[in-house]
Amino acid sequence: DGGITQSPKYLFRKEGQNVTLSCEQNLNHDAMYWYRQDPGQGLRLIYYSQIVNDFQKGDIAEGYSVSREKKESFPLTVTSAQKNPTAFYLCASSIGQFSYEQYFGPGTRLTVT
Amino acid sequence: AQSVTQLDSQVPVFEEAPVELRCNYSSSVSVYLFWYVQYPNQGLQLLLKYLSGSTLVKGINGFEAEFNKSQTSFHLRKPSVHISDTAEYFCAVSEHTGGFKTIFGAGTRLFVKA
Repeated sequence: DGGITQSPKYLFRKEGQNVTLSCEQNLNHDAMYWYRQDPGQGLRLIYYSQIVNDFQKGDIAEGYSVSREKKESFPLTVTSAQKNPTAFYLCASSIGQFSYEQYFGPGTRLTVT
Repeated sequence: AQSVTQLDSQVPVFEEAPVELRCNYSSSVSVYLFWYVQYPNQGLQLLLKYLSGSTLVKGINGFEAEFNKSQTSFHLRKPSVHISDTAEYFCAVSEHTGGFKTIFGAGTRLFVKA
């Protein structure tokens, strides 16, 4: 079955540590996205990538970094510079330009204490 | 710049009653419109989409939505809800200018009571 996988489902880290969230898709989609979800705020775009080796900052990129070395993979690193990293993180993909519907992974809930 | 407003943060409704979740958007160009559903601790799943053509769009699980260009609205409806429809629903807008940004509303939590 085609889809998007995110791992792990739950992640706990100490403040000051960097942490990398995994996102893999086997849908052969060109575009991939990372969103952050906080209660009552909907989804906010962190980073997106249209093609391999290219990515763009979204609305809340500060304190985050990404890479896109393979079409299937778009890992997100939450750095110690992110002031409030505890959130639910969603990865998504779409066929390509014009952002037709996006396909979402199951999400990773990150808790930093 | 585009924006999306979901007018109700929570909608409680009894099982088998009809429901409407309201969504208004703001954009200076043509748009694509989407409704997604999110069950607790899961990702989002597409319910339906409007790209062009008929303004009444039917989706999965018996949901439908109507695109009203003059009122810039895309309200989601279901004639009879089930307990299993309890979830959070997101309206989303993507402009026809290309690029990759889709703007999501803040979400409406639908709570179906027995």
